[in-house]
Amino acid sequence: SAVISQKPSRDICQRGTSLTIQCQVDSQVTMMFWYRQQPGQSLTLIATANQGSEATYESGFVIDKFPISRPNLTFSTLTVSNMSPEDSSIYLCSVGGTAYTDTQYFGPGTRLTVL
Amino acid sequence: KNEVEQSPQNLTAQEGEFITINCSYSVGISALHWLQQHPGGGIVSLFMLSSGKKKHGRLIATINIQEKHSSLHITASHPRDSAVYICAVQLYNTDKLIFGTGTRLQVFP
Repeated sequence: SAVISQKPSRDICQRGTSLTIQCQVDSQVTMMFWYRQQPGQSLTLIATANQGSEATYESGFVIDKFPISRPNLTFSTLTVSNMSPEDSSIYLCSVGGTAYTDTQYFGPGTRLTVL
Repeated sequence: KNEVEQSPQNLTAQEGEFITINCSYSVGISALHWLQQHPGGGIVSLFMLSSGKKKHGRLIATINIQEKHSSLHITASHPRDSAVYICAVQLYNTDKLIFGTGTRLQVFP
């Protein structure tokens, strides 16, 4: 199993600023995933973070807006840059897939409100 | 058309009722996940299925690969089952998940 923690759990930010969200896993994992859940919507994959290489971004998401770091096998950060109210969402990190054959594990999420 | 469709979107039930949530998908998958999201936002994985049926306590999940359909059943529902239930499919040969829009379940005492 995997236990995932995220910081901060929530934040309220001003338009134009940036916020870095941290994700810590209690075991080493190859791939970590960052998701966004906009109000009333389901989850959308932002990017896959691989240790030792650049993150792979999904269509509609770019590195300049959502830079990701993956310095080691237990930690990753997602930065939401130059924020606007449209970025107000829950951001979740996740591990799973082929490394964990029975389940997916999700962090508790970071609830971001941009004013 | 979404690649993963869930029904119903909203569901209310009286305590003790049998609940069924359905999920249909249109892509090739290696597995299907049922997730539970409580109002605080935290997501818990309930099941990962690649075939057949799984049971955990009062929860049962089934999948029919040929028909590209899965169901989540809750027997003897309880108010603490109130949550959003999300179906997510794992694309074939990748670790990526595509999520349904969720089913909001409210169980009243």
